[in-house]
Amino acid sequence: GAVVSQHPSWVICKSGTSVKIECRSLDFQATTMFWYRQFPKQSLMLMATSNEGSKATYEQGVEKDKFLINHASLTLSTLTVTSAHPEDSSFYICSASTGPIQNQPQHFGDGTRLSIL
Amino acid sequence: GEDVEQSLFLSVREGDSSVINCTYTDSSSTYLYWYKQEPGAGLQLLTYIFSNMDMKQDQRLTVLLNKKDKHLSLRIADTQTGDSAIYFCAESLSGGYNKLIFGAGTRLAVHP
Repeated sequence: GAVVSQHPSWVICKSGTSVKIECRSLDFQATTMFWYRQFPKQSLMLMATSNEGSKATYEQGVEKDKFLINHASLTLSTLTVTSAHPEDSSFYICSASTGPIQNQPQHFGDGTRLSIL
Repeated sequence: GEDVEQSLFLSVREGDSSVINCTYTDSSSTYLYWYKQEPGAGLQLLTYIFSNMDMKQDQRLTVLLNKKDKHLSLRIADTQTGDSAIYFCAESLSGGYNKLIFGAGTRLAVHP
């Protein structure tokens, strides 16, 4: 149980294009979803938290106009990297939980490797 | 603020036990998690423990918690080559929410 699917797993695109990453909870309702960024050999950096039907809460230093998050249903959240540039290249990982409280663990997708040329 | 620290690297022989250590700073009631990350993949939830517990065991995994020292450990019995991965310790944010503070990760290398 608690399967989270993330798509695509790898994307390469030209500088200036926008890229959409999907995160789906397959066997549970995800009231809360999280988006992380991970640099090589580093830990996860939380970008934003989204609750279904509400606007996402972004961490300090994360540009909300650059990284658009939509959590329109209880099983789907999307992250759109707008006008992507090479510095946006990274490994993006989503997670989902049944709610925002402590005893509702986060379950992670397999990540999306984004390469901007 | 909250902080989670882990040793960065551990090497063990196949069949031995592995012990991965973590320290955290939040003194309020909290949940503590262990996640495993294989190369190029996301994080797999291994186990979690509430801060009022001392120990939790799940098959080959044993979590020990020393609340006084704010020290958490993950013991993997009979370590196999498939256990080679990065292990992240994480603490839920104070205030009762499940936003996590991650450690830097411990790279476990299992050799024959």
